[in-house]
Amino acid sequence: GESVGLHLPTLSVQEGDNSIINCAYSNSASDYFIWYKQESGKGPQFIIDIRSNMDKRQGQRVTVLLNKTVKHLSLQIAATQPGDSAVYFCAEKVPGANSKLTFGKGITLSVRP
Amino acid sequence: DGGITQSPKYLFRKEGQNVTLSCEQNLNHDAMYWYRQDPGQGLRLIYYSQIVNDFQKGDIAEGYSVSREKKESFPLTVTSAQKNPTAFYLCASSASRTYGYTFGSGTRLTVV
Repeated sequence: GESVGLHLPTLSVQEGDNSIINCAYSNSASDYFIWYKQESGKGPQFIIDIRSNMDKRQGQRVTVLLNKTVKHLSLQIAATQPGDSAVYFCAEKVPGANSKLTFGKGITLSVRP
Repeated sequence: DGGITQSPKYLFRKEGQNVTLSCEQNLNHDAMYWYRQDPGQGLRLIYYSQIVNDFQKGDIAEGYSVSREKKESFPLTVTSAQKNPTAFYLCASSASRTYGYTFGSGTRLTVV
């Protein structure tokens, strides 16, 4: 089974509101986490990443929070826009030269106008 | 600009045929990956390659084959042994010293 999972399959938010997308991971040895955005019919695009020695990292309108105690990762999108509508994936990586990213199933964010 | 290119964007296959999906990158990345994505599903790893002339099976390698003769190229062949090949196929690459993947735009394969 997958070690990375998402709490909700879909999330609907009003345009202008803040969105919070949650992700649970099961491997406490993971030291790197990344969020991807995938629009319909396209490949995933990098949003933001965070290493395990950090609790929070901010980008443009996005913030990733990492809680290693409960193995939880979240993506916060400020002032959600219609262009934010997409599927969002979290992924984790354990240390090691040949280690690969493990992806969660994805959550659909739908922005209501 | 550097990037990763998949072709074709859409591909149709008849029953019993082999088809090859192209993936080319000019990012000078060492590692390349192939994923399969079914509707409403996550990414499942088919094959990956960490270095030229070497590749390993992922979680769902049966019915697929790959080659890595050049650093820039990692083609995927969907063979007739793959009983349910209709899916969206994604290629990705990563540098040895970084962790994130760069994805291509995908190939949608349909069996007709």
